[in-house]
Amino acid sequence: ETGVTQSPTHLIKTRGQQVTLRCSSQSGHNTVSWYQQALGQGPQFIFQYYREEENGRGNFPPRFSGLQFPNYSSELNVNALELDDSALYLCASSGGLAGTYNGAQYFGPGTRLLVL
Amino acid sequence: AQSVTQLDSQVPVFEEAPVELRCNYSSSVSVYLFWYVQYPNQGLQLLLKYLSGSTLVKGINGFEAEFNKSQTSFHLRKPSVHISDTAEYFCAVSAALGGTASKLTFGTGTRLQVTL
Repeated sequence: ETGVTQSPTHLIKTRGQQVTLRCSSQSGHNTVSWYQQALGQGPQFIFQYYREEENGRGNFPPRFSGLQFPNYSSELNVNALELDDSALYLCASSGGLAGTYNGAQYFGPGTRLLVL
Repeated sequence: AQSVTQLDSQVPVFEEAPVELRCNYSSSVSVYLFWYVQYPNQGLQLLLKYLSGSTLVKGINGFEAEFNKSQTSFHLRKPSVHISDTAEYFCAVSAALGGTASKLTFGTGTRLQVTL
């Protein structure tokens, strides 16, 4: 069983630029959630994708957007980067192709974004 | 909406001593409860989860937690800690929707520091 993978592991951007982060969900999972973890804080929910549709969104501005693909992998896009966007971005997969859900979300290793 | 309070930001403990990390939650609906561990520069690993049934939940690495509905608590315990347990521990809650994953709301984390 393949775990959740994310790419890239680290990224440095400048203010105003755009960034795309990628996540491959765990085998058999159809739901991907994205979280932002600022230094010294707990993760904050950005949004969730289920069967290629956004299925819930946290308190993040529209410049945070996403996609989910037919193979259930996902992208997080952030436009007009700000200094406060510097954080660890985590994706989590859950659910099952048979519609079952065992109650848990499984996290990838994260992408650490630094905005200068 | 849900919220989580982790009462201790840091817990120092000697190796082989018992430890309890405290977590209280607030929610207007039924919830699922989780504990995750984060080692330096890594993602989150699921330690254990409470969905329903027995209020005492056993997880990986010898950890266990007890759900107390009347006190809205979900404290994490280990009878004897090891140096390798040094990490950040996050308590999280989600609405109990049953069929699909709901967003996780995390506490601010507790740093467990185990020393000889």
